Amino acid sequence: SQTIHQWPATLVQPVGSPLSLECTVEGTSNPNLYWYRQAAGRGLQLLFYSVGIGQISSEVPQNLSASRPQDRQFILSSKKLLLSDSGFYLCAWGYTEAFFGQGTRLTVV
Amino acid sequence: TQLLEQSPQFLSIQEGENLTVYCNSSSVFSSLQWYRQEPGEGPVLLVTVVTGGEVKKLKRLTFQFGDARKDSSLHITAAQPGDTGLYLCAGAVGNQFYFGTGTSLTVIP
Repeated sequence: SQTIHQWPATLVQPVGSPLSLECTVEGTSNPNLYWYRQAAGRGLQLLFYSVGIGQISSEVPQNLSASRPQDRQFILSSKKLLLSDSGFYLCAWGYTEAFFGQGTRLTVV
Repeated sequence: TQLLEQSPQFLSIQEGENLTVYCNSSSVFSSLQWYRQEPGEGPVLLVTVVTGGEVKKLKRLTFQFGDARKDSSLHITAAQPGDTGLYLCAGAVGNQFYFGTGTSLTVIP
């Protein structure tokens, strides 16, 4: 069966510091991979998606970037965090349906 | 960016009552999913509907996809406290999943 791992679960970072969130998928090959951000109690905003190694599509221009160095690894990064980057970040994999990791609560202080 | 509006945004009902959540868009989707999310966790897939007019039942939950594949509804019969959570619809367009604005349901014992 397929599993998705996302870490860390929580993160507190100062403004201006870098960010790296990692997501890995097991049990499937060449999955579509996604990064979403969610405001409290609200819907999910699609940030990036990838259909293959090195292929990244950005939905919303912002202070974040994504990379896919391996088939089942998806990384969300920032060089300098802003206060507005705080939120709940979710990684997902899927083809016709999306399956999510446990999420990362990021607080920028 | 595809926009899916969910209504109501918040819903608080007594155990045993029935409820309906709506998901509306001006866009056509190849499929539509419903998810439930607990606080601090990733959304969990409940159902996928693909064909216009399709109705699917999952125990006390009934899902319907609109004839034009632009909207959907989720009906819960005899709600229970375990149904409490954030309900999200998501429409699939190509490789992307666009999520609705969310409906926060609280079922009071």
